[in-house]
Amino acid sequence: AQKVTQAQTEISVVEKEDVTLDCVYETRDTTYYLFWYKQPPSGELVFLIRRNSFDEQNEISGRYSWNFQKSTSSFNFTITASQVVDSAVYFCALSSGYSTLTFGKGTMLLVSP
Amino acid sequence: GAVVSQHPSWVICKSGTSVKIECRSLDFQATTMFWYRQFPKQSLMLMATSNEGSKATYEQGVEKDKFLINHASLTLSTLTVTSAHPEDSSFYICSARPGGKNIQYFGAGTRLSVL
Repeated sequence: AQKVTQAQTEISVVEKEDVTLDCVYETRDTTYYLFWYKQPPSGELVFLIRRNSFDEQNEISGRYSWNFQKSTSSFNFTITASQVVDSAVYFCALSSGYSTLTFGKGTMLLVSP
Repeated sequence: GAVVSQHPSWVICKSGTSVKIECRSLDFQATTMFWYRQFPKQSLMLMATSNEGSKATYEQGVEKDKFLINHASLTLSTLTVTSAHPEDSSFYICSARPGGKNIQYFGAGTRLSVL
């Protein structure tokens, strides 16, 4: 069975602080995909990134960066110089091949001015 | 690219009526669409997977006669909540997956309130 754990239920930071959202996953498959989605108060899930299990290279996109560590089964997400607009619920998710997504419970990020 | 439109965004209905929610992929063909339900401050719960032209696959515990899913084309799937009751009030969100690409793109969701 697959499982995604986001241990941080809620994180509060002040603008311009860096923040890291943790994600730990469990799967028996050797080929799998990891995702991060952002859900702002409006409700829509916004796709942020997909990473496959064979690509452990870290990725940076603007203020966002992701650290994939197979050795610790983690796929952490860091926002640098956070902004109020980053306030949202962030979900980490896992799928094997073309199977369905297994979501974590989400981390609510509150960025205050 | 990869835009999914979900309509309506908000619906209020009386108990016993049926409500139809549409999910459209606007700029790609979606061989597979998914329907989720999300309770306040909780994660998404997969209700069913629908493949174009075939019957939907429902998750355990989801009543297929209650939640009718139709995926008649590669760009449209509908979810009909039949004989809605207050306990069906929730946030329903769909996603669409392009053929050959393992990424789900989500709609904006529908907030259903049953009085």
